[in-house]
Amino acid sequence: AQSVTQLGSHVSVSEGALVLLRCNYSSSVPPYLFWYVQYPNQGLQLLLKYTSAATLVKGINGFEAEFKKSETSFHLTKPSAHMSDAAEYFCAVSTPGTSYGKLTFGQGTILTVHP
Amino acid sequence: DSGVTQTPKHLITATGQRVTLRCSPRSGDLSVYWYQQSLDQGLQFLIQYYNGEERAKGNILERFSAQQFPDLHSELNLSSLELGDSALYFCASSVGPPASGNTIYFGEGSWLTVV
Repeated sequence: AQSVTQLGSHVSVSEGALVLLRCNYSSSVPPYLFWYVQYPNQGLQLLLKYTSAATLVKGINGFEAEFKKSETSFHLTKPSAHMSDAAEYFCAVSTPGTSYGKLTFGQGTILTVHP
Repeated sequence: DSGVTQTPKHLITATGQRVTLRCSPRSGDLSVYWYQQSLDQGLQFLIQYYNGEERAKGNILERFSAQQFPDLHSELNLSSLELGDSALYFCASSVGPPASGNTIYFGEGSWLTVV
């Protein structure tokens, strides 16, 4: 079975500071991993995804994530936070090799950015 | 705009009633997914359809049912509604399964409040 754990339901940073949102996965085979962002009263928008090409994945809005198999992690980072980054972020996993798959989401991390 | 359209955006109904949520997937997408988002359960996968056929089932209650029509739009039917069914219901679509690295695109959701 596949699962995702996001460490920290709330993360608070100052504007201009490093953003680090943690995600650990469990999967019987090397997974596909996704980060989504949800702004208030909106749907989920894909930030980036890992599909077994490069382990360092760059996404939209300056975010990136690194797949580390040895640590079963896929942490999301951004060098310098902006006020507009305040949102809820979800890590999700899907298991390759299944014909019709689903995304399993973590519980989400709410990012607050202080001026 | 993800291209996934959901109606209605907001719905308030009484316990014991039945409602239907509608979804139009992105043009060309054959897979449709339904997710439920609530404060206590987070994002839960309900069900997936591919080209009119049910492909995967998640934590969907027996009181809930869904279908995908020949024009690929989908409906989620919720009956005998309870207070605990109040949630944000997302429809999503993709060309293929996330287990092949495909991106799932989410609509903005239908807010259901049961009173």
